[in-house]
Amino acid sequence: DAKTTQPPSMDCAEGRAANLPCNHSTISGNEYVYWYRQIHSQGPQYIIHGLKNNETNEMASLIITEDRKSSTLILPHATLRDTAVYYCIVRPLNAGNMLTFGGGTRLMVKP
Amino acid sequence: NAGVTQTPKFRILKIGQSMTLQCTQDMNHNYMYWYRQDPGMGLKLIYYSVGAGITDKGEVPNGYNVSRSTTEDFPLRLELAAPSQTSVYFCASSYSREGETQYFGPGTRLLVL
Repeated sequence: DAKTTQPPSMDCAEGRAANLPCNHSTISGNEYVYWYRQIHSQGPQYIIHGLKNNETNEMASLIITEDRKSSTLILPHATLRDTAVYYCIVRPLNAGNMLTFGGGTRLMVKP
Repeated sequence: NAGVTQTPKFRILKIGQSMTLQCTQDMNHNYMYWYRQDPGMGLKLIYYSVGAGITDKGEVPNGYNVSRSTTEDFPLRLELAAPSQTSVYFCASSYSREGETQYFGPGTRLLVL
């Protein structure tokens, strides 16, 4: 699976958009970008995934660059409850659903 | 649906003791997984199962065993607990291998002294 690089930590003001970047320069054509988050002491929670088109759901938006070497997860109106570690994961669609978690980005939403 | 449930929530073991971490899902998912998470680190896959009677090793299987006799249950067995197995253990499940998301349980915190 392709390796991902994320900043170790970020701050965001409550109510503002949180933009979390992820670099995956070695991504191959059949690999998807997944985002999960882990709120303190809880199990990881799926957020969103995409291949090459931008995606949006009730939780977030995923913007993937045209060359697919990087992506950005956007939380449009961050709340205190969005404080968590966010993991960007790249994996093929048919990889047996195994996920490889790196260090992630610790997002702190501040009042 | 309760989703993925894990028991116990917390356990202290002495070195050399054994225990079984329980995991049950009520979503009729085919795939189930066990991960461990050491402090400040990401999750690492221990074992996974693609269906009843079928299990396979993940990234860090040493010191653990699993079984999958039913679709719902996927217990993780520690035979001879070691301090290096102090960690938080998460069980997860997903419906199929076609990119379905994984649903995680609340975790079991294990301390081996």
